[in-house]
Amino acid sequence: SSELTQDPAVSVALGQTVRITCQGDSLRNYYASWYQQKPGQAPAVVIYGKNNRPSGIPDRFSGSSSGNTASLTITGAQAEDEADYYCNSRDSSDNHVIFGGGTKLTVL
Amino acid sequence: QLQLQESGPGLVKPSETLSLTCIVSGGSISSSSYYWGWIRQPPGKGLEWIGSIYYSGSTNYNPSLKSRVTISVDTSKNQFSLKVSSVTAADTAVYYCARHCAEIIVVPSHWFDPWGHGTRVTVSS
Repeated sequence: SSELTQDPAVSVALGQTVRITCQGDSLRNYYASWYQQKPGQAPAVVIYGKNNRPSGIPDRFSGSSSGNTASLTITGAQAEDEADYYCNSRDSSDNHVIFGGGTKLTVL
Repeated sequence: QLQLQESGPGLVKPSETLSLTCIVSGGSISSSSYYWGWIRQPPGKGLEWIGSIYYSGSTNYNPSLKSRVTISVDTSKNQFSLKVSSVTAADTAVYYCARHCAEIIVVPSHWFDPWGHGTRVTVSS
């Protein structure tokens, strides 16, 4: 089965742009979805599909994909964006759901 | 607005069976457009998909848990359930239920939205 690999931690200065990446073979065949999880809260999807945001998600969040890498970009990071971010996809070899290990985003 | 709520014991003894239920409100679990899933998160760790079920009863499980997991659906009560047998301390986690969405246009996409608040389950004697 496939795996999704994320950097454990990323930091960004307030108001700057940050890219969080997710790598895996399944991403050649499936779009990644992205989740934000703040301490003590359930995850919430911020990007799904090609680059879709659920209602209520600010447009500073965007998604993209190239080859085996999916990216979540936050343009103009805010203090409230400090959270853990997870990607997920479908394993193209055995049709199961997989999650990345998560990236802890710190906004400086 | 669709809402999901997990319920079940917060403490389970080793070797016993963990049982949780997810009640769906604000929408029908019998919608042909969605699956319904369980995801768990051990303390301080990442998310692990456990499995998903369609309203018809068709299931898909994480291979690493498949031998111990059963997910079932009760459309009359608009809820679905999770059972994990022979639990150990490694099954201690926050368990979430969520609607499992899928889009198959040119490139498929799968995501979970919304999620329940989660329920903490500890395996200990």
